[in-house]
Amino acid sequence: QVQLVQSGAEVKQAGASVKVSCKASGYTFVNHGISWARQAPGQGLEWMGRVSAYNGNTNYAQTFQGRVTMTTDTATSTVYMELRSLRSDDTAVYYCAKEKYTGGQAPFDYWGQGTPVTVSS
Amino acid sequence: DIQMTQSPSTLSASLGDRVTITCRASQSISSWLAWYQQKPGETPKLLIYKASSLESGVPSRFSGSGSGTEFTLTISSLQPDDFATYYCQQYNTNLYTFGQGTKLEIK
Repeated sequence: QVQLVQSGAEVKQAGASVKVSCKASGYTFVNHGISWARQAPGQGLEWMGRVSAYNGNTNYAQTFQGRVTMTTDTATSTVYMELRSLRSDDTAVYYCAKEKYTGGQAPFDYWGQGTPVTVSS
Repeated sequence: DIQMTQSPSTLSASLGDRVTITCRASQSISSWLAWYQQKPGETPKLLIYKASSLESGVPSRFSGSGSGTEFTLTISSLQPDDFATYYCQQYNTNLYTFGQGTKLEIK
């Protein structure tokens, strides 16, 4: 069965960086892109960007351009999301999500369990 | 980026009611729209994709319609399990966007 297992909770100081991992299993990893989204406490979902597991190509939301990097490791079927220059309003639960189709431009059919990131000033 | 606007932000309804949530895109997205359900403390669940296709395992009381810039999610007869927050999401390009969410509450 498809599973996306994310790394554990993080507490960071403002100005630091955080790197969250998402290990995929149960499907052919390179055939489906992975997106990252976040949800601040009591707020809605915010899409951050996606990475192609096939060739590593990325698309980032304008809000995060220059501050986020998404990478893949096909040997371990793991995707990473690094967010730099953290601020208090980056405090949120960060999710990875698998695209339903190959080739991008797809909804998300499986989600990771979420990684809480707390940024303290 | 394409902006997605949902209405209403909050909806109060009773068991058995028929409810409709609307999602508008800032430009045409053809039928590249999905709907998700999220309950407190849980991850989002895909309900509808390509505007009107029902995800496997989702009850048939959920339906979606629309194309271009205006879309709707309809629940034909509210069940206790349906009280949650619903999000639309566009995937017209590889730059995705979620709506701000609609919280469906018990009246």
